[in-house]
Amino acid sequence: DAGVIQSPRHEVTEMGQEVTLRCKPISGHDYLFWYRQTMMRGLELLIYFNNNVPIDDSGMPEDRFSAKMPNASFSTLKIQPSEPRDSAVYFCASSLGTVYNEQFFGPGTRLTVL
Amino acid sequence: KQEVTQIPAALSVPEGENLVLNCSFTDSAIYNLQWFRQDPGKGLTSLLLIQSSQREQTSGRLNASLDKSSGRSTLYIAASQPGDSATYLCAVNNSGYALNFGKGTSLLVTP
Repeated sequence: DAGVIQSPRHEVTEMGQEVTLRCKPISGHDYLFWYRQTMMRGLELLIYFNNNVPIDDSGMPEDRFSAKMPNASFSTLKIQPSEPRDSAVYFCASSLGTVYNEQFFGPGTRLTVL
Repeated sequence: KQEVTQIPAALSVPEGENLVLNCSFTDSAIYNLQWFRQDPGKGLTSLLLIQSSQREQTSGRLNASLDKSSGRSTLYIAASQPGDSATYLCAVNNSGYALNFGKGTSLLVTP
């Protein structure tokens, strides 16, 4: 298996622009997670899906952030409009079940908002 | 809210040394604990997963222990190598889905 795939790997944009991050989970995994990593706050969960349905989005910082999972093999995290404080590394992770199974992480997308 | 602390924040050791990384957490009602490795500019690689009912897990030169009652876990690396240089992250699962991460220990193994 290719593991969790994320694109783009790097994104540089200007404040106010829309940004879309993409994720393909490991085939067969029924849970998908979006995390954000910053120097100040470390790794934090933004939202997670089970069988394509959003279960908990309490970590999404603002209404400017939205996430979708139209099918079992694809998810997007969108920021509109983007702000400099959104600059971070965004990770997607997937797992088979949650409580007892490992989460596997993608390589991340490094977002820079100027 | 679960708080996860990793000590030390940074560690430098000569090649060949055995070393211990520490992780502590405030809420002992956990499902499991996972240790990750993160190389600069890269994603997280899962190293070991310890279920709440287990005391330790081993993989090669790595051994992770869990003392749930005291809220502590250690990652033991035997015979360290320069290739072990990375940031090691501890993550606790006490909600059934979200992982609560520590800030990590940055390890440098010098030749």
